[in-house]
Amino acid sequence: SAVISQKPSRDICQRGTSLTIQCQVDSQVTMMFWYRQQPGQSLTLIATANQGSEATYESGFVIDKFPISRPNLTFSTLTVSNMSPEDSSIYLCSAAGNTDTQYFGPGTRLTVL
Amino acid sequence: AQTVTQSQPEMSVQEAETVTLSCTYDTSESNYYLFWYKQPPSRQMILVIRQEAYKQQNATENRFSVNFQKAAKSFSLKISDSQLGDTAMYFCAFARDNNNDMRFGAGTRLTVKP
Repeated sequence: SAVISQKPSRDICQRGTSLTIQCQVDSQVTMMFWYRQQPGQSLTLIATANQGSEATYESGFVIDKFPISRPNLTFSTLTVSNMSPEDSSIYLCSAAGNTDTQYFGPGTRLTVL
Repeated sequence: AQTVTQSQPEMSVQEAETVTLSCTYDTSESNYYLFWYKQPPSRQMILVIRQEAYKQQNATENRFSVNFQKAAKSFSLKISDSQLGDTAMYFCAFARDNNNDMRFGAGTRLTVKP
């Protein structure tokens, strides 16, 4: 299984600012994903981070609000732009290699004031 | 679209006892994968067990086993000899064959009581 780290682990941000979350995998993986988990809720897929091309976004999520980069097979970033209190959530990165199983990072807890 | 339903928002069990968490799903796919993930208060999502739909044999991982009923689209998780460290949110998840699309249930909060 892949070991995944995320930075920062938590942050408190002001309304209108942006935060970039980093996700690092300890081995090359085929797929990387970003999820949002709102307080007390389940996980919702934001997008699939594609290496070398634009991310694939799920319905309800747009690139202007959640720009994603994936410069190589082990690293991805998610930016939460122009934040509002409604963006307060846990953001999780996951990765999958040659098997179908996704392994998750520890998450980033974001609070927007 | 695939949907995953966990009808038990909360459950509790005495330490050393057995508990079963329910999950049903809806799909028109013939081949897919099912998962149970555990999320303790640390919020780290931990894979508990996975099942491939084309395999009839139920998956088992130590104290964790599943009852996979493909025709009924049911995928329950049985935890035997419950331990205090099993206290967590448990999420059932479905993924299509190409793994581009994993859908999660709403979760079941399990509390193991001493």
